[in-house]
Amino acid sequence: DTGVSQNPRHKITKRGQNVTFRCDPISEHNRLYWYRQTLGQGPEFLTYFQNEAQLEKSRLLSDRFSAERPKGSFSTLEIQRTEQGDSAMYLCASSSPLVGQGNEQFFGPGTRLTVL
Amino acid sequence: SQQGEEDPQALSIQEGENATMNCSYKTSINNLQWYRQNSGRGLVHLILIRSNEREKHSGRLRVTLDTSKKSSSLLITASRAADTASYFCATVRGADGLTFGKGTHLIIQP
Repeated sequence: DTGVSQNPRHKITKRGQNVTFRCDPISEHNRLYWYRQTLGQGPEFLTYFQNEAQLEKSRLLSDRFSAERPKGSFSTLEIQRTEQGDSAMYLCASSSPLVGQGNEQFFGPGTRLTVL
Repeated sequence: SQQGEEDPQALSIQEGENATMNCSYKTSINNLQWYRQNSGRGLVHLILIRSNEREKHSGRLRVTLDTSKKSSSLLITASRAADTASYFCATVRGADGLTFGKGTHLIIQP
């Protein structure tokens, strides 16, 4: 399967703990995005990488959140000192301006975070 | 924050009927995309319409875009049970992330 993969698929943690999620984009895609989705809502943009450079961060991305894409391939999203309000599905997507009509994004299955 | 607003929030129709969903947005866009989300396959891109296009077709899907009214519609013809899902419009201003609406939950009754 050459789609976007995310690990883990589910994460249950206690409030105050740190968690890290991983996203592996489609190999030829240079753009990578993180979104957060809560129940009954559409996904909300968090941050965006082009290759290894983080080009945009949403105001939703508080200082407890950090994302990296060190070699321009996979990315990690870390949440420090988790809060119950962080409970959500975290989605990763990738795209390439050379694929299709450009900026069509291909989403992974998501990581569902539950903070107790 | 959500830019788009889909209407209706929920829609239930009989298999074989057509389903129409609408989306309104607030700011200027480069293109508008529609995505489908269900528990089995996650979020999947359906169709993209550029800001200089007014209508686009893909299989049983027809999308319209009215930039003067900042609105778009998605028509699914001859609906099937497998079309049951949530449908989201998403706007794009550049290479930035997508801004999604809250979605329309479509149920196709057999």
